[in-house]
Amino acid sequence: DADVTQTPRNRITKTGKRIMLECSQTKGHDRMYWYRQDPGLGLQLIYYSFDVKDINKGEISDGYSVSRQAQAKFSLSLESAIPNQTALYFCATSDPGTGTNEQFFGPGTRLTVL
Amino acid sequence: KNQVEQSPQSLIILEGKNCTLQCNYTVSPFSNLRWYKQDTGRGPVSLTIMTFSENTKSNGRYTATLDADTKQSSLHITASQLSDSASYICVVRGLDGTDKLIFGTGTRLQVFP
Repeated sequence: DADVTQTPRNRITKTGKRIMLECSQTKGHDRMYWYRQDPGLGLQLIYYSFDVKDINKGEISDGYSVSRQAQAKFSLSLESAIPNQTALYFCATSDPGTGTNEQFFGPGTRLTVL
Repeated sequence: KNQVEQSPQSLIILEGKNCTLQCNYTVSPFSNLRWYKQDTGRGPVSLTIMTFSENTKSNGRYTATLDADTKQSSLHITASQLSDSASYICVVRGLDGTDKLIFGTGTRLQVFP
């Protein structure tokens, strides 16, 4: 987990506020992902990036945007937070060169929107 | 629709006992299947990975099995320890070239002394 860090770890905000969650990695991986996890549901893919110039929408991208500032940094923004975006958010990285393409997850950010 | 279903949703066992967690999937075509362990407040960590041609794989006290014909996998934990208390997530990777993973909802395991 230390190779993939997320900030903040916890955040409480109000409806309508703009929020940015940040992810940094020291693994040297090109691929980065943002997921959200809700109780009783599997992780759902929000956005993914195969390199700095490649950004792709996942299953549930509405209400979110991302920025890949560098190979090591991938941030997720909620332009106008709403209560149903309350969830646990995970960043992950992977290296397709390994063959198995294992994804390595950060420790998560718990976001509460009031 | 590609899906991954796990059972049971939750499980309580006593320390030292064995248990088996189940995963059924409908993902096709199929690349590999991983079991992840997620401790409370932490990100998931990979335990095992199995490809289409593998039937069983062990990682210490964890043994995963795969039946690609019936699209079923299991994770067997032997001689459970308190530190095994966590959620166990089955994750399937399809072969559509997008690198997307399909996550099960997990089994929440609690090991009591």
